Amino acid sequence: NAGVTQTPKFQVLKTGQSMTLQCAQDMNHEYMSWYRQDPGMGLRLIHYSVGAGITDQGEVPNGYNVSRSTTEDFPLRLLSAAPSQTSVYFCASSYRVYNEQFFGPGTRLTVL
Amino acid sequence: EDQVTQSPEALRLQEGESSSLNCSYTVSGLRGLFWYRQDPGKGPEFLFTLYSAGEEKEKERLKATLTKKESFLHITAPKPEDSATYLCAVQAVRTSGTYKYIFGTGTRLKVLA
Repeated sequence: NAGVTQTPKFQVLKTGQSMTLQCAQDMNHEYMSWYRQDPGMGLRLIHYSVGAGITDQGEVPNGYNVSRSTTEDFPLRLLSAAPSQTSVYFCASSYRVYNEQFFGPGTRLTVL
Repeated sequence: EDQVTQSPEALRLQEGESSSLNCSYTVSGLRGLFWYRQDPGKGPEFLFTLYSAGEEKEKERLKATLTKKESFLHITAPKPEDSATYLCAVQAVRTSGTYKYIFGTGTRLKVLA
């Protein structure tokens, strides 16, 4: 099993550009989520999904969109990048929402 | 307001010097408390889940305990390879029935040889 994979590892954007962070898991997990991690702050939940076709907002959803058309994939879209979105983004998955989460390696995003 | 606080923020230990990390929480509808380890430049890695006060779990040099207000991660005779950031996360159920995760900011542990 590859576990949770994320691409790209690093990305630099200009303000106003859009992009998609990719996340995939091969463990047949029902629950998937996106977090951002900033210095001095805990991981903060952006969006999550409890199954294909079902998504919901987390704590900090503004400026981000998600969709879940398959069990395996959960992409995160930045609609119009802003410097405040400079962060490290982690995708995670778990068998059910109440189980422990498996995290991907992260994407370090810089918005200039 | 739901909150998870970890202390200390940073800890330096000599190899073999045992210590404890603290995670205190105020949250309603607690379902579980999770401990993760995070190495620099990597994603968090799951260590333990605790569900009820009095529960304990062990793995090698680590032991996690839970009370109604806090959890401790005890590190016995640590080695340099135990150096990492240790994250605590609380899972709770909202009144709507959906789940929420609240992560602490972590304790950065450095074990010196």
